[in-house]
Amino acid sequence: GAGVSQSPRYKVAKRGQDVALRCDPISGHVSLFWYQQALGQGPEFLTYFQNEAQLDKSGLPSDRFFAERPEGSVSTLKIQRTQQEDSAVYLCASRPLPGQGLVLFRNEQFFGPGTRLTVL
Amino acid sequence: GDSVTQMEGPVTLSEEAFLTINCTYTATGYPSLFWYVQYPGEGLQLLLKATKADDKGSNKGFEATYRKETTSFHLEKGSVQVSDSAVYFCALTVMNTGFQKLVFGTGTRLLVSP
Repeated sequence: GAGVSQSPRYKVAKRGQDVALRCDPISGHVSLFWYQQALGQGPEFLTYFQNEAQLDKSGLPSDRFFAERPEGSVSTLKIQRTQQEDSAVYLCASRPLPGQGLVLFRNEQFFGPGTRLTVL
Repeated sequence: GDSVTQMEGPVTLSEEAFLTINCTYTATGYPSLFWYVQYPGEGLQLLLKATKADDKGSNKGFEATYRKETTSFHLEKGSVQVSDSAVYFCALTVMNTGFQKLVFGTGTRLLVSP
């Protein structure tokens, strides 16, 4: 009964470095989301995948941010040339399609513990 | 655009006190409303939801009623416990985005003392 897992849990990067954050969604979940949570703020949407297709990337803050999910399961969020303002917790969530899982929560997104990125 | 406003924290209560955390929203479509909870060191968990006006979501003694006329979804609990200490987020999704995006408030930290 594994939930959504993310790795690493903590990442410290020097400004200008590239980083890659991994998300393992719940098995069988076709929808996958990435959110960015700055300190003291609520999560903000970054991008959405249905299977391997990236259907919405309107929340990505710049072209330094890139996400992929090549086989429709594991996803990677990559940030190139990190800046201090990229410091945040990056959350991944997965969701079963409507009709799967408990009816009451069929639209529920299940969140991972997040990766805390600190850019020095 | 769509947004959620919730009361600033921290909210500090003694055990068995009554809890209210206010949440109001602005949405262009007809939103579904959610409360998520984040315990220390853990990921966000769905606490309760409501999908249409006058629906009441409830779970673990928490309740919230979808009030379209006041665009509100206030979280309440009659008697809080120390274990309820966490950060609570109000959130919405709207139909015109196909339920794809959650829009969150800034979160309210609840501290319950024995």
